[in-house]
Order: sequence, then structure tokens, then C-alpha cells
Amino acid sequence: TQLLEQSPQFLSIQEGENLTVYCNSSSVFSSLQWYRQEPGEGPVLLVTVVTGGEVKKLKRLTFQFGDARKDSSLHITAAQPGDTGLYLCAGVGSQGGKLIFGQGTELSVKP
Amino acid sequence: GAVVSQHPSWVICKSGTSVKIECRSLDFQATTMFWYRQFPKQSLMLMATSNEGSKATYEQGVEKDKFLINHASLTLSTLTVTSAHPEDSSFYICSARDWGYTFGSGTRLTVV
Repeated sequence: TQLLEQSPQFLSIQEGENLTVYCNSSSVFSSLQWYRQEPGEGPVLLVTVVTGGEVKKLKRLTFQFGDARKDSSLHITAAQPGDTGLYLCAGVGSQGGKLIFGQGTELSVKP
Repeated sequence: GAVVSQHPSWVICKSGTSVKIECRSLDFQATTMFWYRQFPKQSLMLMATSNEGSKATYEQGVEKDKFLINHASLTLSTLTVTSAHPEDSSFYICSARDWGYTFGSGTRLTVV
């Protein structure tokens, strides 16, 4: 069974601080995706990383895919209250194209 | 971009009744849809994979007789929670696969 271990599960920081969320697996994934979810809504795709070692930037968010394609990280610079939400990493499983999610990181950015 | 419509967005039902949730791909055909369940402050847990024209594939521990899935067309999959009980109260989300994975807006089910 392919699993994604995401950490930390909860994070409460002050506005302006930096943070990193990690997503690790013992399995190789062809790609990993990062989503953000607001309460009462479905997840919204932020980015997909495909190539080992790939780095993608989305404004203050930086996403990295490990060289071995087993792990990924999300780094947020100068967090703002608007960044508050649930961040989820997900990878496509080897069977049936199922999207497997990590445990999620509940981020709270206080003004 | 691809849009997935999920209805209803919320529903309250009495214990013992059944509830149907619809998931539609609005501008693309989806031979495969996925149903997830999510508890507060937790991640999405895959319940089943819905395949058009064939039986759904359920994840381990998910009761197929309780969570009935029908994928009768290329744009519609339904999840019916049968004989619902308070412990079935949760947030249910569907996803359809096009070039990527597009999610519905979810259904908040409360069983009283």
C-alpha cells in the first residue's frame, strides 16, 4: 500500500513567518500534487510536480519534488492570514489511478 | 477548465433513511470518478472508485452495501448512503479525472 506521510499536521504561526510542510513516502510516485482546502469546500489544486528535483514557485509558495520522487515539500515565505487553510499533498497510486492523500497540514496564520 | 458539480451541498436526514449524493462532470466525460470521505480537521479518505458501466471498486473497510455507487453515464456518478446513522455524518467529496483530478465542492451530511 502506498502511503504519504505529511508533517506537521497542525501549524500555528504569526504573520510574516516562514514555514515548510513535508510530504514523504517510501514509494516512488510519478507525480505529486499539492492542494489547498477551505472549510466546507473541495480541495483546489496548487501545483503538480513531475520531475525529480523539480522546483516550482507560486508567488510566496515554493514546491520541491525530491530527486528520487518519493518526497516533496511546500515552503511558504512571509505567511499571511489569507494563507490559513488545510494543505494536502497527494500522489497518484500505482493501481487504478487513485489519488492518495497525505494526512494534511492545518495551517493557521495569526495577524 | 474542468468543472465538477456536486449536489446537494448539505443535507440533514433522519437516522435510518437513505441519502443520495450526485457528482456530475459538466464539460468533460469521466469514465472514472472517486468518492472521498473527510472528517473535521482531517484529510480525504478514499472510499471507492466509480467506473462507468461497471461495478465500483471499494477500499478496504468500506461497506459496499451501505455506500452504494452508481456510475450510469459518462458524466454522472451517485453515492447513496443507505440506512444512514449518526456515525455516517461527514463531509463527502467526489472527484473526476480528466487531464487531472477535479473535485466537487463536497456534501455535508448530518444524520440526526
